[in-house]
Amino acid sequence: VQLQESGPGLVKPSQTLSLTCTVSGGSITNTNYYWSWIRQPAGKGLEWIGRIYTTGSTNYNPSLKSRVTISLDTSKNQFSLKLNSVTTADTAIYYCAGVTYTTSSNWFDPWGQGTLVTVSS
Amino acid sequence: SYELTQPPSVSVSPGQTASITCSGDKLGDKYACWYQHKPGQSPVLVIFQDTKRPSGIPERFSGSNSGNTATLTISGTQAMDEADYFCQTWDSSTAVFGGGTKLTVL
Repeated sequence: VQLQESGPGLVKPSQTLSLTCTVSGGSITNTNYYWSWIRQPAGKGLEWIGRIYTTGSTNYNPSLKSRVTISLDTSKNQFSLKLNSVTTADTAIYYCAGVTYTTSSNWFDPWGQGTLVTVSS
Repeated sequence: SYELTQPPSVSVSPGQTASITCSGDKLGDKYACWYQHKPGQSPVLVIFQDTKRPSGIPERFSGSNSGNTATLTISGTQAMDEADYFCQTWDSSTAVFGGGTKLTVL
């Protein structure tokens, strides 16, 4: 399975950041995985944004929950991220990732290449 | 909120053993993963479920997790292992990452 992020590299403050992750080499409805977004601001660590199961059920990072929506498009084998009311603090490299899970554990693998999104007027 | 703490940097000589720690409250009661992240590349899973290596990850990478500390050990460190390493766990259905450790192979 391979993942590839796409979307605008520049977003104005207060607007909505929208990214899509295209899954290839397998079906996005494969129940061995669920799907996630993670970001890394320059010079900082990784921050988990949220996840979506193949059922459409979602969980979000509490720190971002009020601004985030993750959705699934099974017809296109894609999942998407929307982050509204962005500020310069949202400037980061955004990664999509597949999450392998068992009854007791989950891990992020594989990852997309990442895409830089800059918030600036 | 749950936090994971890593040393900002670790240095090691080629061929020696590098140990990178990750501390969190009762971390040993959870599963820990480790990711290798090189500049300009996507992160790579090197350890999952505390001690397991994905296929393709060299045997020199190993992990442990007990008490409040998870440890990534790289035996016979090579120049190609120079990278940032992040630990990660789950708490209350939220993924938590450590701040990352820059491994320098001198």
